Amino acid sequence: GDSVTQMEGPVTLSEEAFLTINCTYTATGYPSLFWYVQYPGEGLQLLLKATKADDKGSNKGFEATYRKETTSFHLEKGSVQVSDSAVYFCALSLRSNDYKLSFGAGTTVTVRA
Amino acid sequence: NAGVTQTPKFQVLKTGQSMTLQCAQDMNHNSMYWYRQDPGMGLRLIYYSASEGTTDKGEVPNGYNVSRLNKREFSLRLESAAPSQTSVYFCATNRVAGELFFGEGSRLTVL
Repeated sequence: GDSVTQMEGPVTLSEEAFLTINCTYTATGYPSLFWYVQYPGEGLQLLLKATKADDKGSNKGFEATYRKETTSFHLEKGSVQVSDSAVYFCALSLRSNDYKLSFGAGTTVTVRA
Repeated sequence: NAGVTQTPKFQVLKTGQSMTLQCAQDMNHNSMYWYRQDPGMGLRLIYYSASEGTTDKGEVPNGYNVSRLNKREFSLRLESAAPSQTSVYFCATNRVAGELFFGEGSRLTVL
């Protein structure tokens, strides 16, 4: 079935460090790909998305590129801040599945001052 | 603009008790969803409603029922709660495919 695999956490970084969270997917067809973020005590919110191969999604200094050849959508940020501490979820949706989202397990990121 | 509102935010139940989680949205979206979030498992879809008057099972529907009361409201009912239903529950609405707006969650503990 369609699924998303994320790198396991938790990830702990110092401020201004480079962040990468790996995400790979398995899907029959051409999914849209998403990163959602969940700050402590809150619901998830959309961080960025890409709908076709080679698209780059970006928001709040985060970027991810849809790589069809490696079935990946890795999230990166060049210089993290304490406020980036959150749980990050990779997800996919397919037209064949009525665009319902399939989520990865989530990666907890803690940024220390 | 409240977005997606869930009630209650916290609830403790005993095994066998019943309860209903309420969700209301003021975004005029057609689709609504109920997810549960468990450590290490991401979010799993329980039920969804593509439009008023329709509901469909998701990945983990057993032990739950839903009602799409109108376009704004989508409730989730546990008829006989079990400890395995201890979780954080999220309601969400859909603007465009894959772009969900989530409520703040309802933390349920079943003893």
